[in-house]
Amino acid sequence: AQKVTQTQTSISVVEKTTVTMDCVYETRDSSYFLFWYKQTASGEIVFLIRQDSYKKENATVGHYSLNFQKPKSSIGLIITATQIEDSAVYFCAMREGLASGSWQLIFGSGTQLTVMP
Amino acid sequence: NAGVIQTPRHKVTGKGQEATLWCEPISGHSAVFWYRQTIVQGLEFLTYFRNQAPIDDSGMPKERFSAQMPNQSHSTLKIQSTQPQDSAVYLCASVDWGGAETLYFGSGTRLTVL
Repeated sequence: AQKVTQTQTSISVVEKTTVTMDCVYETRDSSYFLFWYKQTASGEIVFLIRQDSYKKENATVGHYSLNFQKPKSSIGLIITATQIEDSAVYFCAMREGLASGSWQLIFGSGTQLTVMP
Repeated sequence: NAGVIQTPRHKVTGKGQEATLWCEPISGHSAVFWYRQTIVQGLEFLTYFRNQAPIDDSGMPKERFSAQMPNQSHSTLKIQSTQPQDSAVYLCASVDWGGAETLYFGSGTRLTVL
C-alpha cells in the first residue's frame, strides 16, 4: 500500500530565506505522481507543484522547486525567498499510476511553516 | 471560474440526525473526489466519481455514509445517524481528467455533531 510521510511537524524561518520541507513515500508502482499542496489559515487547499516519477528533471514553479531523489523515495519542497504569506501547512501527496487501478491521492500529515519578519 | 463550491460551509447536527453535504465541481471537470480532514487522522480519502460513475469508495465507512453524483454539476455526501466522531471538515475536489490531473479543492464543509 502506498504511504506518504512528513516527519517535520513545524518549521520556522525568517522571511527572504530558503526553506526545505521533507517528504518520503512508499509505493510498489513503477509509475507514480508526487504533489505538494498548501493549506492556508482559512482552510483553502491550493496545488503548488507536481513531479512525475519518470521525469529526471526537478520541477520548478515560481519560487517553489522540488528535490526529487527517486532512489531514496524522497521528494523535498524548496521555497526560496520566503514571504510572510507563505506561512501555511504544506502537504505532500502521491498518486500511483493507472496500473494500480486507483486514482487515490494519499496525503502526508503536513508541515506547518511559519515565516517570521 | 468560481472554483469548487461546497455548501453549507458549516453544519451542526444532533447525534442521530442526518447530514447532507453538497459539492459543485468546476465546470468541465470530469472527476469529483471527497476527503475528510481531522486533526487526528489528517486528510483521508473517502470516495471518487469519474464521469458521474462511482469508481473507488474504499475510504468510505461502510455504514451510514453514502455518496452520489446524479449529474455533472453536483455531488452529495450523505451521513445517516451522525455520531460525534463524524465531526470533521469534509472536502470536495474536482479534476480535469484530460488536463493536468490536478485536484482543485473546495473550501470544505465543517460538520459538527453534538
